[in-house]
Amino acid sequence: AQSVTQLDSHVSVSEGTPVLLRCNYSSSYSPSLFWYVQHPNKGLQLLLKYTSAATLVKGINGFEAEFKKSETSFHLTKPSAHMSDAAEYFCVVSAYNTDKLIFGTGTRLQVFP
Amino acid sequence: DTEVTQTPKHLVMGMTNKKSLKCEQHMGHRAMYWYKQKAKKPPELMFVYSYEKLSINESVPSRFSPECPNSSLLNLHLHALQPEDSALYLCASSQERIAGTGAGNTIYFGEGSWLTVV
Repeated sequence: AQSVTQLDSHVSVSEGTPVLLRCNYSSSYSPSLFWYVQHPNKGLQLLLKYTSAATLVKGINGFEAEFKKSETSFHLTKPSAHMSDAAEYFCVVSAYNTDKLIFGTGTRLQVFP
Repeated sequence: DTEVTQTPKHLVMGMTNKKSLKCEQHMGHRAMYWYKQKAKKPPELMFVYSYEKLSINESVPSRFSPECPNSSLLNLHLHALQPEDSALYLCASSQERIAGTGAGNTIYFGEGSWLTVV
């Protein structure tokens, strides 16, 4: 069975400081992994995806994530937070041979001035 | 252009009303999805359409009735809903169904329709 765990429900950073949102996954197969962002009262926007190509994946808005098979992790990072990054972030794994996306419980990122 | 358009953005309906949510994409995607999202929770899959045929119904109550008139449109017909059905309803699409692709067929989401049942 596949699963994904977001290790922090809330993360608070100051504007201009680095962002780290942690995600661990469990999968019997080579997974496809995604990060989606949801701003308040909005839909989900794809930030980036990993599909067994390069382990370091670059996404939109300066975000990137590194797939580490040995640690079963897919953490999301950004060098310098911006106020507009304040949102809910979901780590997602594509379940093998089903149409279900397995969502983490989400991490709410707050950015203080 | 990765755009999924949903209407209306907000809908308030009584428990005896009949209403519909609409979703449209022009990316040539052949798989379309309905998700339900309650506050502070991740989205939950409701239905999957592939090539305009219903392929998955996640045991959704019959008061929710999906329809796929053509490859670009997806509707969700609502009837006799309950207050607990109030939620954000998200439409999504992907080039093909994600099942078995192994290559991370990406799902693109719309902005959602906020439904309040009174």
